[in-house]
Amino acid sequence: DADVTQTPRNRITKTGKRIMLECSQTKGHDRMYWYRQDPGLGLRLIYYSFDVKDINKGEISDGYSVSRQAQAKFSLSLESAIPNQTALYFCATSEAGVYYGYTFGSGTRLTVV
Amino acid sequence: GENVEQHPSTLSVQEGDSAVIKCTYSDSASNYFPWYKQELGKRPQLIIDIRSNVGEKKDQRIAVTLNKTAKHFSLHITETQPEDSAVYFCAASNLQTGANNLFFGTGTRLTVIP
Repeated sequence: DADVTQTPRNRITKTGKRIMLECSQTKGHDRMYWYRQDPGLGLRLIYYSFDVKDINKGEISDGYSVSRQAQAKFSLSLESAIPNQTALYFCATSEAGVYYGYTFGSGTRLTVV
Repeated sequence: GENVEQHPSTLSVQEGDSAVIKCTYSDSASNYFPWYKQELGKRPQLIIDIRSNVGEKKDQRIAVTLNKTAKHFSLHITETQPEDSAVYFCAASNLQTGANNLFFGTGTRLTVIP
């Protein structure tokens, strides 16, 4: 089945370390997103990309960077991880056009110690 | 930008009763309002959505209503079952801008008591 896959599922890292979260999709969607989920704060947009050459900041992009390596791959990097970046991270995809719903990946739980 | 507020943050109902979750939005240009269900340890999944050209949409036991004038929309779940227990998120977007970005509410944890 076409899906959105995130790796790793869980990660513990130390403060100051660089870490990359990866997302790949087989849905053929052009648009990809990275969201962060924190208890009581819902889902907040970090970065989004409409195609390989189009990268845009979301509402909470500070401390993060992204790379759209191909239509199917969108990676999120924390250049120097800090404890308040501990959260559940979701990648999502959507198709431009008639259907606008998101398909979410299974999430990456990141803990920065 | 868009600001979506969601209430209540937690909701407990007896099995068989109805549950209502309410959201308000700030941008009058928003025209697409989906609802996502997130079960424990799972990814959010779209359960129903509504566009601003309709006032209500139903799908079996769930329904969504939209009041554009008041800028609020609600999720209604009837005849609740234990498997309805989850966190529910509302969201809003302006499809006409082409951005397709969803702005999410903070979530409602629904517990259905058997």
